[in-house]
Amino acid sequence: DAGVTQSPTHLIKTRGQQVTLRCSPKSGHDTVSWYQQALGQGPQFIFQYYEEEERQRGNFPDRFSGHQFPNYSSELNVNALLLGDSALYLCASSLAGLQGYTEAFFGQGTRLTVV
Amino acid sequence: RKEVEQDPGPFNVPEGATVAFNCTYSNSASQSFFWYRQDCRKEPKLLMSVYSSGNEDGRFTAQLNRASQYISLLIRDSKLSDSATYLCVVNTPLGYGGSQGNLIFGKGTKLSVKP
Repeated sequence: DAGVTQSPTHLIKTRGQQVTLRCSPKSGHDTVSWYQQALGQGPQFIFQYYEEEERQRGNFPDRFSGHQFPNYSSELNVNALLLGDSALYLCASSLAGLQGYTEAFFGQGTRLTVV
Repeated sequence: RKEVEQDPGPFNVPEGATVAFNCTYSNSASQSFFWYRQDCRKEPKLLMSVYSSGNEDGRFTAQLNRASQYISLLIRDSKLSDSATYLCVVNTPLGYGGSQGNLIFGKGTKLSVKP
């Protein structure tokens, strides 16, 4: 059973460019969350997708947008890249349920470097 | 005040030592609590969930004090392989069915276990 997979693993972009990161959730999971982890910091929540809708959003500008597809996979798009967007971008998948939180599994991340 | 605060670290300990990590959280509505482990340049992985009754998994013991909004992790008989960053994580549900809330991470405490 494949876990959470993210692509690409590494990416170098120039300031002002746009980037799309991809995530395939663990089999059977329907909820995808994205996190940004800067060097030396804990992951910071960007947003969460469930049933193809953004359900919750962290404190990130509109340059960060996303999408969830019918097969539950997800994309994170970042426009007008800034040097400060350089970070490890993590995708986490989980299974929504009425009984509250269920364990989230993380992908290996995409390391984005903006130059 | 940060939502989740941890000991700044780093902790440098000899093999066999006992080490304790402390964490406080600010949102009294938080309902789920975890310790994650993150190896260098890897994704976070769930180490253990934390319950008010306390829970133990081998050399690892986690405690939660809801009244004090305090979480702890104790590692006994440290091994070289315990060297990693330990992240204190809190989940606050959104309050509607099917929601997963989002994970709030502390900054992490780096542990280095030396021979």
